Amino acid sequence: GQQLNQSPQSMFIQEGEDVSMNCTSSSIFNTWLWYKQDPGEGPVLLIALYKAGELTSNGRLTAQFGITRKDSFLNISASIPSDVGIYFCAGRVNTGNQFYFGTGTSLTVIP
Amino acid sequence: DAGVTQSPTHLIKTRGQHVTLRCSPISGHKSVSWYQQVLGQGPQFIFQYYEKEERGRGNFPDRFSARQFPNYSSELNVNALLLGDSALYLCASSLAGREFNEQFFGPGTRLTVL
Repeated sequence: GQQLNQSPQSMFIQEGEDVSMNCTSSSIFNTWLWYKQDPGEGPVLLIALYKAGELTSNGRLTAQFGITRKDSFLNISASIPSDVGIYFCAGRVNTGNQFYFGTGTSLTVIP
Repeated sequence: DAGVTQSPTHLIKTRGQHVTLRCSPISGHKSVSWYQQVLGQGPQFIFQYYEKEERGRGNFPDRFSARQFPNYSSELNVNALLLGDSALYLCASSLAGREFNEQFFGPGTRLTVL
């Protein structure tokens, strides 16, 4: 199957700092999604990207669909304690209906 | 509006048993996908159903099966349970067309196999 690598694996930051994480794949994707998952709950959709180079914001969150179509980036500005959780990227290749999920980035915000 | 609902919330089974998990999609959504999430990993795709037909299948053994009903709800069945089947099982629903890409997840069913 497709491999999606997320980095960093975990982050510990001070409240108010900006956060950057990325996701890379071995294949070209036509869709990228970013999710946040809290313990014991299902992932919550944050941002959806459909075109290479696309930059989309959702409040303090901004995500980009990489030009190569093999990567995507998520930035969180001015982090707050409720940003704590695990962030997953998910991508879909041109054919098929399967979404592949990344390995996740665990974010801890220190007040 | 109600989100994706799943039942039961938690389930404990023993090896060799069979389990049925249920999912109700968001009203108006016709596509349902099932994922398995092992602790510490991202969700792994099991099945996708759209308009009651299987449209995608992940790399899971035949012990896993699913179906979608006329009201678009769905069941995931797992036979001959193994210890390794212990995981959070997630259901996601989406609309058709471009909106199909935006999948909304339920809270999941935590399955423990002893």
